[in-house]
Amino acid sequence: EFVLTQSPSTLSLSPGDTATLSCRASQSISSSFLAWYQQIPGQAPRLLIYGASSRATGIPDRFTGSGSGTDFTLTISRLEPEDFAVYYCQQYGSSLYTFGQGTKLEIK
Amino acid sequence: QVHLVQSGSEVKKPGASVKISCKASGYTFTSYTIHWVRQAPGQRLQWMGWINTGDGHTKYSQNFQGRVTFTRDTSATTVYMEVSSLRSEDTAVFYCARGSVNFDYWGQGTQVTVSS
Repeated sequence: EFVLTQSPSTLSLSPGDTATLSCRASQSISSSFLAWYQQIPGQAPRLLIYGASSRATGIPDRFTGSGSGTDFTLTISRLEPEDFAVYYCQQYGSSLYTFGQGTKLEIK
Repeated sequence: QVHLVQSGSEVKKPGASVKISCKASGYTFTSYTIHWVRQAPGQRLQWMGWINTGDGHTKYSQNFQGRVTFTRDTSATTVYMEVSSLRSEDTAVFYCARGSVNFDYWGQGTQVTVSS
């Protein structure tokens, strides 16, 4: 069974800080098939990053995706109040789709 | 502008079925696969499967195989998901989403509550 594990579960930071979120895969995956989403409570997820490092339409350059193999990172620079949300990584492989358990980014 | 608009909240009894709709607009309906994702309270997003809106071909996650059915109406640019034999763990928000290897547009979600 393919598993994505995100860390930390919760990250407490202040506006203006830099957030570093991790996503680890149980086996190596193609970077082309790794995406990140932001979910604000009560709303649908929003695609942020696809192909591990490409920003989706309208996503500011404060959001940066990186990584390869089994280890991927989402970095959010100069945190804005609207960035405090839950973030999920997601992978596609063998015709199946898997999400991580999420990282909650909260205001310190 | 791409929009996916889902039907409203549902309350069902255990063992019943529910059918949710997802109306697409702002793009060529038959050019993109539609997926369904479940989010139970406090749980991670869980992929349920997809439907090819062009030919109607479907693929279901093993976790839902035999209990969910996806259909589409191309003239109405709408996709439907029916979940049968509802149980308590189906109390969740169900999302439709457009995509291939990732999901670029999402519906607003449909809350389904299963309660006796």
